[in-house]
Amino acid sequence: GEDVEQSLFLSVREGDSSVINCTYTDSSSTYLYWYKQEPGAGLQLLTYIFSNMDMKQDQRLTVLLNKKDKHLSLRIADTQTGDSAIYFCAETLSGTYKYIFGTGTRLKVLA
Amino acid sequence: SQTIHQWPATLVQPVGSPLSLECTVEGTSNPNLYWYRQAAGRGLQLLFYSVGIGQISSEVPQNLSASRPQDRQFILSSKKLLLSDSGFYLCAWKGGAGSVYGYTFGSGTRLTVV
Repeated sequence: GEDVEQSLFLSVREGDSSVINCTYTDSSSTYLYWYKQEPGAGLQLLTYIFSNMDMKQDQRLTVLLNKKDKHLSLRIADTQTGDSAIYFCAETLSGTYKYIFGTGTRLKVLA
Repeated sequence: SQTIHQWPATLVQPVGSPLSLECTVEGTSNPNLYWYRQAAGRGLQLLFYSVGIGQISSEVPQNLSASRPQDRQFILSSKKLLLSDSGFYLCAWKGGAGSVYGYTFGSGTRLTVV
């Protein structure tokens, strides 16, 4: 079935690293995405990874993809208070126009 | 550059009243357009998507309908709102099935049905 799972909450101290995990279902997904939603706002694309990659790094963000386990993670280095938000992973269903989003992980950064 | 406009930002409507939320896209042609709903504390639920004028696909049975009267305009409607229609509604566009850059989202409409 179509189900993308994420833990609901994560709390870290400022300056520490955050790791947000996601498990997806469609092994033929071409791209996998991470979005950030700040309070009361729409979703902002943070980064994406192509399914034939294992890792992608973009400044403080590192995406790891384990296709065997269908596991995607987002690591935020040196987490700042401005990183507090809800983070969604999403997968594309191959051959469709649809994305399936996870339930979102609420990251709280403690000063 | 491509932009997406969604309005109103907030809306409080009584049960049984009609609804019309509008979304327009600039800077692109023939976009795929989407309506999502985000209930409090929950993830995103795809409601409708459209790949062209007059072409609407519904993902879940519900009290809502969508229309695409123009290439870059997507409207979400209801004839009679229910309490369960409350939520945060997001419009998004995407450049086609093979587009790598994902969705671009509007800023959302927070609907409260009272």
